[in-house]
Amino acid sequence: DAGVTQSPTHLIKTRGQQVTLRCSPKSGHDTVSWYQQALGQGPQFIFQYYEEEERQRGNFPDRFSGHQFPNYSSELNVNALLLGDSALYLCASSGLYRGLGEKLFFGSGTQLSVL
Amino acid sequence: GENVEQHPSTLSVQEGDSAVIKCTYSDSASNYFPWYKQELGKRPQLIIDIRSNVGEKKDQRIAVTLNKTAKHFSLHITETQPEDSAVYFCAASRGRDDKIIFGKGTRLHILP
Repeated sequence: DAGVTQSPTHLIKTRGQQVTLRCSPKSGHDTVSWYQQALGQGPQFIFQYYEEEERQRGNFPDRFSGHQFPNYSSELNVNALLLGDSALYLCASSGLYRGLGEKLFFGSGTQLSVL
Repeated sequence: GENVEQHPSTLSVQEGDSAVIKCTYSDSASNYFPWYKQELGKRPQLIIDIRSNVGEKKDQRIAVTLNKTAKHFSLHITETQPEDSAVYFCAASRGRDDKIIFGKGTRLHILP
């Protein structure tokens, strides 16, 4: 049973560039949430996707956007990168709408460095 | 908006002693409270969770208590072991499809 997988594991970009991060949820899960974790901080909620739609959004600017595909995998896109976007980006899946509850299972994350 | 405060930010306990981490939440509609453990360089993993209709829950050496009136909940680890060293995050949610909001974390050091 594959857990949550994310790619790439590390990424280095420069200010102003755009980045796309990818996530495959745990088998049987249908909901994907994205979190940003700055060094020494707790995960901050970016948004949640279900049925290919953004269902909830945290306090992040429009530069952060996402997508969910019919196979439940998801992408996080960040435009016009700022130095402050450097962080670990975590994807978490749950099987809420399949009766599996709201427990989040996290991927290992993508470490994004903006220079 | 929703806010989860966690303290202490760092905690050092002697191996074999107990550790307690405390959290408060602002949204009175919150009814789901998970705790996650994140070891260095690894993903956060759920260790225990509690719902608002339960005041306490235990799983071996780990227990969580909830005081809805005061809007605070705590994680208790007894008989601490070296492998308990990690960062622990509390979180809160209204449950169902609501987003889960995390505290800033507590770095727990187990001293030999």
